[in-house]
Amino acid sequence: AQTVTQSQPEMSVQEAETVTLSCTYDTSESDYYLFWYKQPPSRQMILVIRQEAYKQQNATENRFSVNFQKAAKSFSLKISDSQLGDAAMYFCAYVGGGADGLTFGKGTHLIIQP
Amino acid sequence: SAVISQKPSRDICQRGTSLTIQCQVDSQVTMMFWYRQQPGQSLTLIATANQGSEATYESGFVIDKFPISRPNLTFSTLTVSNMSPEDSSIYLCSVSAGPRAVPEAFFGQGTRLTVV
Repeated sequence: AQTVTQSQPEMSVQEAETVTLSCTYDTSESDYYLFWYKQPPSRQMILVIRQEAYKQQNATENRFSVNFQKAAKSFSLKISDSQLGDAAMYFCAYVGGGADGLTFGKGTHLIIQP
Repeated sequence: SAVISQKPSRDICQRGTSLTIQCQVDSQVTMMFWYRQQPGQSLTLIATANQGSEATYESGFVIDKFPISRPNLTFSTLTVSNMSPEDSSIYLCSVSAGPRAVPEAFFGQGTRLTVV
């Protein structure tokens, strides 16, 4: 079974600074996808960024980028120029190449200090 | 993309009763998923709802407790049966959309259930 581990229950960063959230996963599959989701207090799950395992290039979406290390099974999220609106729970998630649901990590609570 | 409407958004229920949660998608999708998010916890997959066949349940979840219907490609329901306070959670509906090579999960806004 696949597992996703987020070792940082909570992170705090000053507004405009950069923060990195960690995620590791375990799988025996070669075809899979990784995601970072944001869940603000409204509880709506919002897709932040995704990475296809077959792509070596790290995904980037504006201020959000990932460091995908396939051999190490590591998938960290970097948020640059942090904004107050970035405050939320962040979940790392995995899905295999089949028609599966997502496996989530326990989440990291991100606090933005003004 | 896919837009998902989930009803109700919240409810307070008496123990021993049942609640049915509805999930409506604005496009036809093959796979629909139901998740539970217990207070302060992550999301756990309950089951995968397949149109035209029985739902597939994850370990620890059974059909008698969480019956699921999937009458067509845009709609599904999850029932939480014989509720107890331990069932107090957020329940979320999700779908995969987009070309299979790039699955992307979209979520409803969730149903916050409190059992008293």
